[in-house]
Order: sequence, then structure tokens, then C-alpha cells
Amino acid sequence: EVQLVESGGGLVQPGGSLRLSCAASGFTFSDHYMDWVRQAPGKGLEWVGRGRDKANGYTTEYAASVKGRFTISRDDSKNSLYLQMNSLEIEDTAVYYCVRASGRRGSYGLDVWGKGTTVTVSS
Amino acid sequence: DIQMTQSPSSLSASVGDRVTITCRASQGISNSLTWFQQKPGKAPESLIYAASSLQSGVPSKFSGSGSGTDFTLTISSLQPEDFATYYCQQYYMYPLTFGGGTKVEIK
Repeated sequence: EVQLVESGGGLVQPGGSLRLSCAASGFTFSDHYMDWVRQAPGKGLEWVGRGRDKANGYTTEYAASVKGRFTISRDDSKNSLYLQMNSLEIEDTAVYYCVRASGRRGSYGLDVWGKGTTVTVSS
Repeated sequence: DIQMTQSPSSLSASVGDRVTITCRASQGISNSLTWFQQKPGKAPESLIYAASSLQSGVPSKFSGSGSGTDFTLTISSLQPEDFATYYCQQYYMYPLTFGGGTKVEIK
């Protein structure tokens, strides 16, 4: 069964840091681009960023709202994706989803989602 | 950034109704569009990719169409389990962007 399981969420003060993890199973993780998407309470979905595969240099893309503060990385040997979040703001409060991109270079869009992990930024 | 505009933002429908949701992109995105369904407290699930291709395991009552800037998601016969919020998303260009969502409620 294809599965993504996020962890690492919690309560953090403004200006603080948090590292989210996503454990993948049931598919060849190293072949896929992987994304983070978030959803603030009662709001819609917001794309956070993407980590490309080794064949594409493990390069990354970010939404403007997080660029320079968040960093996506991956460890293919552990089938894991990470989101390092620094300089957290109250507006970063959300459920964070780990999402698989399907097809070559993500050409078929996002297909598999984890259950999410909740990040709350509050003093 | 490409803006994705969904309409309506909400609708009320009865079991058995045919429902159509529209998504418009602020510029052409070819067919690089996905539709998701999200139920309260749950993660989204992919229904349609490449504008009109059904994800594996998704019932055929769901269909998508469109290309360029205008897209539709149709539910042929609404069932109780279909009451949810639906989102479109373009993956033609970074940053990937979502529509604001359409909440489908029971009439």
C-alpha cells in the first residue's frame, strides 16, 4: 500500500523553528518529486514547495510566502522527505501535508497525500 | 502567479443530481490540472489529473474536461459520500496554485 506519514508538528513560538518529516512506503520514493502543501484552519489549500528527485539534482521550488525561511530536503536511503521551517510566523499555522507528484517530472500532478501534521505558531 | 478561480464557491444539491464545478485559470495551462475532493478533517484525495484522466480507483461518476483556461468537474449522480469540498490545482507553472474550493452541500 502506498503511504505517506508525516510527523514533527507541534506548538512553536513565533520566530522559532520546526522540522517536519514524511516517511514514504509502498512505492519507489527515489523516482518521485515530492511536495509539501498546507491548509490553515478553515482555509483552502496552499502549495508550499517541491523537492525534485536525484535525476533532477534534488533541486527545490518554493512558494513566495515561505522562500528563504523553509527548506525541503530528502533522504532517498530512508524514503523520507523533510521540511525545515525557520523564522516561523503566526500565519504558518496550518496542517502540513506531504504529497507525492506522479508521472515523469510530476507531469501527472499530485496523487497521494499523507494525513497531515499540525503546526501551531503561537506565543 | 497563475490564479485559479472556482465557481461556485458553494452549492446545494440533492442526491441524484448532476453537479458541475468550473475552474478558470488566469492564463493558459494546457491540460495541467488536477481535481481534488476533501472531506472534513481528512486529507484531500485526487480525482482527476491532466484535466480529464480519472485517477485509479475513482468511480466513473466523476469526469473532467477542458484545456487552456477553462475546466469543469462533473459528478453525474450525486451520492451522500460526494458531499465535500472540491479543489482544482494547476501544475503547469511554479508556484503551483489551487482554486479557492467549492463546497458541495446537501439540499
